[in-house]
Amino acid sequence: QKEVEQNSGPLSVPEGAIASLNCTYSDRGSQSFFWYRQYSGKSPELIMFIYSNGDKEDGRFTAQLNKASQYVSLLIRDSQPSDSATYLCAAPEGDFGNEKLTFGTGTRLTIIP
Amino acid sequence: DGGITQSPKYLFRKEGQNVTLSCEQNLNHDAMYWYRQDPGQGLRLIYYSQIVNDFQKGDIAEGYSVSREKKESFPLTVTSAQKNPTAFYLCASSIDWGDEQFFGPGTRLTVL
Repeated sequence: QKEVEQNSGPLSVPEGAIASLNCTYSDRGSQSFFWYRQYSGKSPELIMFIYSNGDKEDGRFTAQLNKASQYVSLLIRDSQPSDSATYLCAAPEGDFGNEKLTFGTGTRLTIIP
Repeated sequence: DGGITQSPKYLFRKEGQNVTLSCEQNLNHDAMYWYRQDPGQGLRLIYYSQIVNDFQKGDIAEGYSVSREKKESFPLTVTSAQKNPTAFYLCASSIDWGDEQFFGPGTRLTVL
C-alpha cells in the first residue's frame, strides 16, 4: 500500500515563529510533491509544489525535499494567524504512467497570537 | 475567469433518494476527480476520469456513479446504496493524470 503520512497535530506555533510541517512518502518513484492549505469548511488550495531535491522558496513558504530519506517538509516563516489551517501533503504514487495523487490526512496548524 | 464550480453548495437528501452533484471546469483539463472528506479525515478518492468517456473507480466507489460525456463536466450521483453519504464532496481537475489538482468549492451533503 503506497502511503503519504503526516502528523495530524494539532501543531500550535506562536505568531511570528517558524511553523514546520512534515510529510513522508513510501513510493521511491514519486517525482513531485504538493502542499495544499485547507481552511475549515473550505476546499484545499495549492500553495507549493517541489520536484527537485533541496529547498524551494515562495514568499514566507519554503518546501524542502529529501528524496533519499523520502521526506518533504513545509516551513512557514513569520507565522500569521491567517496561516491557521490544515495542511495536506500529496505525492503521485503508483506504477509509471498510472500514478495517482495520494494525499496525506493533513496536519492541523494553529498560530497563537 | 477560469475555474471549477460545484453546485449546490449545500444539499439535503432524504434516505433512499438518489442525488446528483454537479462539477464543471473551464480550465481545459483532461483529468477530473471526486473526493469525499469526513470531519477530521483526509481525502478519499471516489472516482476519477483521465479523459472524456472514460472513468475509473477510486478507493470508495461503492454506492456512487459518475459520467464523463463532456470534457468540462463530471457529475457524481450518490445513490441510495451508499450507506453513509453525509460528507463534504470535493471535485478536482488537473491538466493531466498525476499533475497538481485544483479543487472546486465543494458540496456539503446531509442525509436526513
